[in-house]
Amino acid sequence: SAVISQKPSRDICQRGTSLTIQCQVDSQVTMMFWYRQQPGQSLTLIATANQGSEATYESGFVIDKFPISRPNLTFSTLTVSNMSPEDSSIYLCSVGDRGSDTQYFGPGTRLTVL
Amino acid sequence: DQQVKQNSPSLSVQEGRISILNCDYTNSMFDYFLWYKKYPAEGPTFLISISSIKDKNEDGRFTVFLNKSAKHLSLHIVPSQPGDSAVYFCAATPGVGNEKLTFGTGTRLTIIP
Repeated sequence: SAVISQKPSRDICQRGTSLTIQCQVDSQVTMMFWYRQQPGQSLTLIATANQGSEATYESGFVIDKFPISRPNLTFSTLTVSNMSPEDSSIYLCSVGDRGSDTQYFGPGTRLTVL
Repeated sequence: DQQVKQNSPSLSVQEGRISILNCDYTNSMFDYFLWYKKYPAEGPTFLISISSIKDKNEDGRFTVFLNKSAKHLSLHIVPSQPGDSAVYFCAATPGVGNEKLTFGTGTRLTIIP
């Protein structure tokens, strides 16, 4: 399985600011995804990060709030913009390859917004 | 609308006994199911999966059963070990591979030594 790292591992941010989370994989992967886990909740898919094109967002998530980049097959970033306390969550990236039977997750970024 | 449900938020089992975690789903389009284990401060770790063409898949101490007509799956861990204490999520997807995953709410399993 791929080795996935995320930076930062955790952060405490002020309301109204933005934070960019990085996801780095040790091998080229076809698919990269960003999930959110709010306190006490399940994991919810934010978007699919597409290499070389705009991300595909799930219902309830918009590009202005969660801009995503994926410049190559091993790296992606998720920005949480204009943060509010409701954005306090764990943000996780996951990766996989077409034809594979599973996704592998990074360690997550724990974000607290004051 | 919660399409994947884990109705037991927590479960405690004696070490050495069988742990049974349950999951129900409502979307008939789901065709492939996965179980993940999550420790605090870590990302989910893949455990085992099953395709809808099967009703059972086994990997060591872990067995997943699928009842497609009842839209129900379960994860059996036997024998349970203290290291199995974690939160377990079931997830579903419309197809094999990297379709988006829909997760259940999780069950916190505690193994009692």
